[in-house]
Amino acid sequence: EVQLVQSGAEVKKPGESLKISCKGSGYSFTSYWIGWVRQMSGKGLEWMGIIYPGDSDTRYSPSFQGQVTISADKSISTAYLQWSSLKASDTAMYYCATLLCGGDCYLSAYFQYWGQGTLVTVSS
Amino acid sequence: EIVLTQSPDFQSVTPKEKVTITCRASQSIGSTLHWYQQKPDQSPKLLIKYASQSISGVPSRFSGSGSGTDFTLTINSLEAEDAATYYCHQSSTLPYTFGQGTKLEIK
Repeated sequence: EVQLVQSGAEVKKPGESLKISCKGSGYSFTSYWIGWVRQMSGKGLEWMGIIYPGDSDTRYSPSFQGQVTISADKSISTAYLQWSSLKASDTAMYYCATLLCGGDCYLSAYFQYWGQGTLVTVSS
Repeated sequence: EIVLTQSPDFQSVTPKEKVTITCRASQSIGSTLHWYQQKPDQSPKLLIKYASQSISGVPSRFSGSGSGTDFTLTINSLEAEDAATYYCHQSSTLPYTFGQGTKLEIK
């Protein structure tokens, strides 16, 4: 059974750094793209980026390029989303989701499995 | 960036009714259009892939159609458990984009 288990809720102050995680199991973690999606309170889904854990090839949405860092540690089947300096506007639920495909298939693929979400609250 | 526009934004419907949600792309995306359902306080769930392909475990009352720029999600004989927000998603071109969502309320 494919599972994506995300780290727990975080409460941070503006300017602080943060790294949240998403651990995959039940499939070949290194062989398939995994991505991050933001959902602000009461709003829609926004794609942030994807990473191929096998070689850490990463693609970012222009809206999030330079604002966050997506990484992966294939030795522990875990993907990460990281901020170096949080803002109040980063307050949101963040989901990881897997495309369950490799190579260039991300140009046509869909998010088949989703994590449970990590709520990040940034407030002074 | 490809913009996906869903309609309606909100619909209040009665059980057993047939519901149609549309998603229009700002440029042709072939069939690389997928639909998700998100119930309150839950993660999104894949409903339909490649515009019209069904997903194992998803009730057969959910179906999709379309290609190019115009797509439709149809829910036949709506059930109370279908109260949710529905999103379309294109993966034809980076950046991936989602529609703004259609919220279904069950009367």
